[in-house]
Amino acid sequence: EDQVTQSPEALRLQEGESSSLNCSYTVSGLRGLFWYRQDPGKGPEFLFTLYSAGEEKEKERLKATLTKKESFLHITAPKPEDSATYLCAVTGRGSYIPTFGRGTSLIVHP
Amino acid sequence: NAGVTQTPKFRILKIGQSMTLQCAQDMNHNYMYWYRQDPGMGLKLIYYSVGAGITDKGEVPNGYNVSRSTTEDFPLRLELAAPSQTSVYFCASALIGTNTGELFFGEGSRLTVL
Repeated sequence: EDQVTQSPEALRLQEGESSSLNCSYTVSGLRGLFWYRQDPGKGPEFLFTLYSAGEEKEKERLKATLTKKESFLHITAPKPEDSATYLCAVTGRGSYIPTFGRGTSLIVHP
Repeated sequence: NAGVTQTPKFRILKIGQSMTLQCAQDMNHNYMYWYRQDPGMGLKLIYYSVGAGITDKGEVPNGYNVSRSTTEDFPLRLELAAPSQTSVYFCASALIGTNTGELFFGEGSRLTVL
């Protein structure tokens, strides 16, 4: 059974204070690891897909990295508009049914 | 493109009532999913479909039913509503086979069972 654990559950940062969110996973052969952003009262919105250890992807102040056991979402110099819940999900080889973690709620104070 | 459209956005049901949550996508996606999201619990898969006429159970299917008569529509039926079905429901779709397989979500349907 695929499992995804995200930490911390909640994170408060000051504007400009860089940090990282963690996503640890167990899966029988990784097909893809996904990061989503979810704003209050909205559906999750796709950010990145990572496929193999060592892969990195960037989008504005966000950079996602992947190892064989975990992924990090690095947030550089965050702004209040980066406040959201960030969800991590994995799909195993031969599956297109993602398993989601519980998410990290990020609040960035001005 | 409207993407994934869910209706209604909010609904209050009495115990024992039934209702259908509607979901439609206009992206010609083959896969469609229904998730429920409870506070602090992440997204739990209820049912999914790999194409018209094909559906399968997810992690938490009890108390729900689905059908997929067209590529575009994937309604979720709640029979004999119970307080445990109070949740936010998300429909999602994905184009599997030609891209990264990311999910596109609707804005959610918030259901309260009293």
